[in-house]
Parts: sequence; structure tokens; C-alpha cells
Amino acid sequence: NAGVMQNPRHLVRRRGQEARLRCSPMKGHSHVYWYRQLPEEGLKFMVYLQKENIIDESGMPKERFSAEFPKEGPSILRIQQVVRGDSAAYFCASSPLSGGATDTQYFGPGTRLTVL
Amino acid sequence: GQQLNQSPQSMFIQEGEDVSMNCTSSSIFNTWLWYKQDPGEGPVLLIALYKAGELTSNGRLTAQFGITRKDSFLNISASIPSDVGIYFCAGRTGGGGSNYKLTFGKGTLLTVNP
Repeated sequence: NAGVMQNPRHLVRRRGQEARLRCSPMKGHSHVYWYRQLPEEGLKFMVYLQKENIIDESGMPKERFSAEFPKEGPSILRIQQVVRGDSAAYFCASSPLSGGATDTQYFGPGTRLTVL
Repeated sequence: GQQLNQSPQSMFIQEGEDVSMNCTSSSIFNTWLWYKQDPGEGPVLLIALYKAGELTSNGRLTAQFGITRKDSFLNISASIPSDVGIYFCAGRTGGGGSNYKLTFGKGTLLTVNP
């Protein structure tokens, strides 16, 4: 399966713990996007990364959230000291190009984070 | 920020019926996209629209990019049970270096009665 892969699919954390979400883009894609989906809401843009570069993190909370896309390995979205309000589905998407007019973002299956 | 108003929020129809849903925005978008999300999965792209006035079909699905660039609709003809899911519209602005950001509507939950 050459699709976008995310793991874990489900993650349960207690308040104050750290959550690490991983995303492997489709083969040949070097652009990764993270979105958050709250219950009964649409997806909200968080951050756009290329290999070793954060291009736009305007949708990501300034505190406790960070993202990286290293030269080797998956992209990581890290949430430190999680709170109940962080409970959501986090989706990763990848694309082969850089936001061109016809560039398509392909989504992974998501990680459902539950904070107890 | 930009917002998309998607309606209806939910629809409950009989198998074989046609369905229509739409999205409107106060902002102009240069690309309109329609996605379907099944429970526990990520959104899957159904149709992409790139020009104002464009009408595009994908099997029983038809979508149009509004002339004003501020709206789009999706029609599903002769619905079947596997059409069940949440349908999202998404828009993307062009230019300015941030045309990768997708703005999503809140979704239309479609239930099809066999």
C-alpha cells in the first residue's frame, strides 16, 4: 500500500503526558501537512512541512505543539503536557508538489487522540 | 479567518434518491474540492474543481465551481447504501505563497436507507 501512513491509529494519554504522532507520506511526496479535526467539525490546518523545514506553522498552537519532518524517517507531530482539549483526530496529508493550483493532498487514516 | 458554510448538516434519504449539498463562503477560492470521509478513516478526494463555472463528474457524482468563486455544490444521483458517510467541501486560495492551505466545511452527514 503506497498511501499515507499514520500511527498509532488510536492513542490514549493522561493529562500532562506527551503524545507523539507519526506520519509517513506517500512514496515520492516531500510535502507534509497536518490537520486537526474536532468532533463534528471540519479539518483545520495546523502546519506545512518539507524535508527538514517548517514552511508554515500558523495553524498550530504556539505552546506545547511542535512538528518536524527529518531528512530520514516520518514526520512527527508532538504534543507536550496534553490537556483534555487536545482530544481530536489528527490527520496528515502529503503532496508531490508545492501547493500548485492542481496539487492534490492525499490524506492518511488519522490518529485519534484521547486525553483522559 | 476564512470559513466555509456547508449545508445541509445532515441528510437522511432512501436508496435511489438524488442528493444535493453545497458550500458557500464570504471569500473567493481558486480551487474547490469535495472529499468523503468514512467512519474512522481520512478524507478521500472525490472531485477537484479549478475554474469558475467548471462542472465535473465522477461516476454518479457531479460538482460545480460557482461563477462567483464563492460557492460550490455536489450532487449524487441514484444513491446507494455505500454512499453513506460525511462529505466535506474544501477550498483553497491561490497565490500569496499560501495556496496549499485547505479550508474545510463542517461536513454533511449522509445516511442512505436501503
